[in-house]
Amino acid sequence: DVKVTQSSRYLVKRTGEKVFLECVQDMDHENMFWYRQDPGLGLRLIYFSYDVKMKEKGDIPEGYSVSREKKERFSLILESASTNQTSMYLCASSPGTGGSLADTQYFGPGTRLTVL
Amino acid sequence: AQRVTQPEKLLSVFKGAPVELKCNYSYSGSPELFWYVQYSRQRLQLLLRHISRESIKGFTADLNKGETSFHLKKPFAQEEDSAMYYCASRASGGSYIPTFGRGTSLIVHP
Repeated sequence: DVKVTQSSRYLVKRTGEKVFLECVQDMDHENMFWYRQDPGLGLRLIYFSYDVKMKEKGDIPEGYSVSREKKERFSLILESASTNQTSMYLCASSPGTGGSLADTQYFGPGTRLTVL
Repeated sequence: AQRVTQPEKLLSVFKGAPVELKCNYSYSGSPELFWYVQYSRQRLQLLLRHISRESIKGFTADLNKGETSFHLKKPFAQEEDSAMYYCASRASGGSYIPTFGRGTSLIVHP
């Protein structure tokens, strides 16, 4: 079974703090993703990575950066947290290879971040 | 850019009633289409995808290219079907990045 884990389930930070959200997958997947999940807005892609040290902006990258130094780990960084970044953050991974199932996404449990 | 539309934010039915969650996509080629589900306090997970052509937990979804739709159906809803459902698509042969709809919350009343 694919396991995607996220470092925290709940996080409370103050405006202006630097925030790190960590995601680890154990199935040697090529692709990793960070999403925001907000009621009424669905899942919005922040950043994704298709290889170590490679990253691409998603739909809403402003205010975020990412790091992928190892294949299994993908970090989301909020350089200076703001209240409008209060949200549920979901990490996902997908194989990237392996034919028709290469794009199936496997999600972590989510981190609910509150910025005060 | 691709767009996935789920017109209903909330769908409320009684147990045993048929349910249809609507999904329309904008891609003009041959997309890959998916339904993901998130039960209360659980992680988001794949429910089914159109290339598999299978029924999962009694749910089916048929790709209708003429109407650019991929509606999710179940003939007799169960209380345990209550969840948030997301439709997603990606361009066939393109990147592995799906576009998600905004989600439909299904509530099945006893």
